[in-house]
Amino acid sequence: DVKVTQSSRYLVKRTGEKVFLECVQDMDHENMFWYRQDPGLGLRLIYFSYDVKMKEKGDIPEGYSVSREKKERFSLILESASTNQTSMYLCASSAHSSINNEQFFGPGTRLTVL
Amino acid sequence: EDQVTQSPEALRLQEGESSSLNCSYTVSGLRGLFWYRQDPGKGPEFLFTLYSAGEEKEKERLKATLTKKESFLHITAPKPEDSATYLCAVQAKTGTASKLTFGTGTRLQVTL
Repeated sequence: DVKVTQSSRYLVKRTGEKVFLECVQDMDHENMFWYRQDPGLGLRLIYFSYDVKMKEKGDIPEGYSVSREKKERFSLILESASTNQTSMYLCASSAHSSINNEQFFGPGTRLTVL
Repeated sequence: EDQVTQSPEALRLQEGESSSLNCSYTVSGLRGLFWYRQDPGKGPEFLFTLYSAGEEKEKERLKATLTKKESFLHITAPKPEDSATYLCAVQAKTGTASKLTFGTGTRLQVTL
């Protein structure tokens, strides 16, 4: 069974803290994605990666960075957490293919920044 | 810019009452249209991919259809366990491969 796992289901941090969210997939997928999901705004793409050490900005990259040192692992970093980064964070992965490239999602991390 | 609009925002059905959810899209060349189901507090679960107008796919009580401007998710004789938010997303042929643009979803509630 395909699986994307995220390091935490719930996380509470203070303003200004550095926050690491980790995602691991076991499907040998080339592509990995980080989204945030907020009520009324849907899923918005923060960053994605199509290969090890490669990254591209999504629609809302400000305040975030990412790291992909191994194919199966993609980390999202909040350099200095702010209250407006309180959100549900979702990681996804997909194969690098023109078909059958649906994204598979992890369970999400609910981050609260106080 | 690719756009996806889903309607209605929320839908309440009685068990057995069939209905359809709509996903309208504008995209610079459609590579694929995706439907997902999301339960509260969980990540989206993949349902279907549609690639060309006229294509249909079915899974249990769900059937997805695609035209050049919209997609419908038909729910036949729904059960309470079909209650969830249904998300639609499009992938464009141009630009970065694999990137999806999501709609904001339809929240479906099925009551006894």
